[in-house]
Amino acid sequence: GENVEQHPSTLSVQEGDSAVIKCTYSDSASNYFPWYKQELGKRPQLIIDIRSNVGEKKDQRIAVTLNKTAKHFSLHITETQPEDSAVYFCAASRSSGNTPLVFGKGTRLSVIA
Amino acid sequence: KAGVTQTPRYLIKTRGQQVTLSCSPISGHRSVSWYQQTPGQGLQFLFEYFSETQRNKGNFPGRFSGRQFSNSRSEMNVSTLELGDSALYLCASSYPSDEQYFGPGTRLTVT
Repeated sequence: GENVEQHPSTLSVQEGDSAVIKCTYSDSASNYFPWYKQELGKRPQLIIDIRSNVGEKKDQRIAVTLNKTAKHFSLHITETQPEDSAVYFCAASRSSGNTPLVFGKGTRLSVIA
Repeated sequence: KAGVTQTPRYLIKTRGQQVTLSCSPISGHRSVSWYQQTPGQGLQFLFEYFSETQRNKGNFPGRFSGRQFSNSRSEMNVSTLELGDSALYLCASSYPSDEQYFGPGTRLTVT
């Protein structure tokens, strides 16, 4: 089955700097890669996702890149703000419910003002 | 649209008891997935139900079971509770798109 590794487990950045979180996956047939943000005491929220037919996707300060050959994908947050502080999870699956979402173990991002 | 709801939000049970958790998906969503979240293990997949049928299953013992009703609402049951079952149980709804939307979770404490 799918296995997703996520690094780093913790990340501290100064406000205004960029943050990068990386994930690798094992199933070459996986084609759907979402990212979730979970603030303390709250539910995970989908912030961006990418499919295997796309190499990069951006949404304001957030971008995700995908390298299918190397089987890794990354989340990039630019101009970080204190409200970006949260735990971020990557996940992978074959789309249309063929396989369940498999999550990485999360990255705790702290943005220091 | 109303979001995913879960009841109850908090539960305290004793070892050996059983518990039933409920999840109401977003209107129109037909798939419900359940996850166990613990500090050490992150989000672990329990099972997924689609159109009242279990479509995928994770690596949890048979004490964990679930079902889905014709209105897409889902329940999960844990029998013979163990201390290690203490966790946040999250459900997420989806379909026809792949995007999963999570409920607020049920915090289960087993004493």
